[in-house]
Amino acid sequence: KNEVEQSPQNLTAQEGEFITINCSYSVGISALHWLQQHPGGGIVSLFMLSSGKKKHGRLIATINIQEKHSSLHITASHPRDSAVYICAASTGTASKLTFGTGTRLQVTL
Amino acid sequence: GAVVSQHPSWVICKSGTSVKIECRSLDFQATTMFWYRQFPKQSLMLMATSNEGSKATYEQGVEKDKFLINHASLTLSTLTVTSAHPEDSSFYICSANDRVSYGYTFGSGTRLTVV
Repeated sequence: KNEVEQSPQNLTAQEGEFITINCSYSVGISALHWLQQHPGGGIVSLFMLSSGKKKHGRLIATINIQEKHSSLHITASHPRDSAVYICAASTGTASKLTFGTGTRLQVTL
Repeated sequence: GAVVSQHPSWVICKSGTSVKIECRSLDFQATTMFWYRQFPKQSLMLMATSNEGSKATYEQGVEKDKFLINHASLTLSTLTVTSAHPEDSSFYICSANDRVSYGYTFGSGTRLTVV
């Protein structure tokens, strides 16, 4: 069993739909990260969470420390949101990240 | 926001030659940088962790004499692929940890093709 599990692996949505990607982890963490990797390969850090909820535009990330679970929500999805979304756990300051397997999202018109 | 500049973005080289990839944190100090390799449709695979002024820590199975990492300053780390072979062809990406915010910022990646 991987230390960081993500679901679903693949997701297709129509434009405007509300999207949820889930992440469960089994390690003790200092922070949980949500990353976005576009087809060109570049990776953008979306959120770094250690508790509660964060919002940035149409993106919302939540974490439940007791249940070791985090979710990434995209409201009013758009084709430009099509990317691979990766959750990753850091276990200490400047520690290496443990990655989930990623969720490939395709948003169609 | 924090930016990591990675160069080159793509490179084609002949077998047996060496290629250097640079990662530079532009507006923050990065005590620690990470180097990853990624094959198509696969997860990022950590190759090594580099700390400014000290030797890099390599992951199991990564040849340190083949993948030379230098982290000479708080803003610059380099990865040199020595005596490149076609099987080294891959996407290489770096990440820098901000010593103040503890956030991780990724470079844009380098697509290496060895012919």
